[in-house]
Amino acid sequence: QVQLQQWGAGLLKPSETLSLTCAVYGGSFRGYYWTWIRQPPGKGLEWIGEINHSGGTNYNPSLKSRVTISVDTSKNQFSLILNSVTAADTAMYYCARPSYFGSGSYSTWGQGTLVTVSS
Amino acid sequence: DIQMTQSPSSLSASVGDRVTITCRAGQSISTYLNWYQQKPGKAPNLLIAAASNLESGVPSRFSGSGSGTDFTLTISSLQPEDFATYFCQQSYFTPYTFGQGTKLEIK
Repeated sequence: QVQLQQWGAGLLKPSETLSLTCAVYGGSFRGYYWTWIRQPPGKGLEWIGEINHSGGTNYNPSLKSRVTISVDTSKNQFSLILNSVTAADTAMYYCARPSYFGSGSYSTWGQGTLVTVSS
Repeated sequence: DIQMTQSPSSLSASVGDRVTITCRAGQSISTYLNWYQQKPGKAPNLLIAAASNLESGVPSRFSGSGSGTDFTLTISSLQPEDFATYFCQQSYFTPYTFGQGTKLEIK
């Protein structure tokens, strides 16, 4: 059974860079689009972007200028970089895997990382 | 982006009630519609994929229907553990987008 474990800094100052990593345990790393999703406190969910094992990416246009998602297939890990953060980027960040290849429904989630942006 | 609109935003109901939550897409998304349940402090849990396909392990009191722009999630007989927030999500076009959520509370 696949499990996702994520980590990264939880407290940032405005203009700093958010960096999170998600490790995949069990299951295949190939054949999926590995995804980042965020949720501001008390609000809804926002799809940030996705990456496959070959490095192919899709980003949310609303964040595209500040986001980079990368993959390390040797470690079965993928990472999120978000530049120039502001208070609006304060959220719980989740990594997620779709149910199956080509699916956009997410059946496996990381535990979440709360990132707070505050001066 | 495809806008997803859920109604109602909140709902009070009792154990044993039948509850329906509606999700409307801003354009046709065929059946590329998923439903999630989220409890406080937890990641969302996928209940239904592709509008009507119940995920393994999800109780049969949950069901989904719809296609095109209009979709529903129905809980046939509410149980205490069903009180949570529910989100719809379209997976037709990236960026995938979610509804704003429906908070189901105990009456």
